[in-house]
Amino acid sequence: DAGVIQSPRHEVTEMGQEVTLRCKPISGHDYLFWYRQTMMRGLELLIYFNNNVPIDDSGMPEDRFSAKMPNASFSTLKIQPSEPRDSAVYFCASSSIASNEQFFGPGTRLTVL
Amino acid sequence: KNEVEQSPQNLTAQEGEFITINCSYSVGISALHWLQQHPGGGIVSLFMLSSGKKKHGRLIATINIQEKHSSLHITASHPRDSAVYICAAYQGRYNTDKLIFGTGTRLQVFP
Repeated sequence: DAGVIQSPRHEVTEMGQEVTLRCKPISGHDYLFWYRQTMMRGLELLIYFNNNVPIDDSGMPEDRFSAKMPNASFSTLKIQPSEPRDSAVYFCASSSIASNEQFFGPGTRLTVL
Repeated sequence: KNEVEQSPQNLTAQEGEFITINCSYSVGISALHWLQQHPGGGIVSLFMLSSGKKKHGRLIATINIQEKHSSLHITASHPRDSAVYICAAYQGRYNTDKLIFGTGTRLQVFP
């Protein structure tokens, strides 16, 4: 298996622009998690899905952030409009109910100028 | 106060030294995850454990549920062990509940 795949790996955009981050979980995994990592706050859970349904989005910082999982093999995290304080590394992870261990993608480094 | 705390925050060691990183948590958990993050950012799962001890190569992880404490040990440390080690707790009754992360321990091993 290729592991969790994220794209793009790096994104540089200007304030006010829409940003879409993409994630393909490991095939067969039931859970998908979106995390954000910053120097100040470390790793934070933004939202997670079970069988494509959002379970807990209490970590989503503002209405500017939205996440979808239209099918078991794809999820998006969208920021609209983006702000400089959104600059961070965004990780996607997936797990199965069988083992519960989370496997992380390589992350997307977002810079908002 | 963070629900998951790690110590020390920074650690330097000479190659060959025995290293211990500690993690304490204040919430009820179902399992605990030790993660490794190298410069450049990738996060790798080292261990997930809910009781006792696990060993993989030179790495050993222990957990004491009653004391709400876990440790990660590295024997015969090597410069390639230099990374940030993150403790993360699965809050709640089920492992699939959300992870709460510690702030990480930055380890540097010098030759």
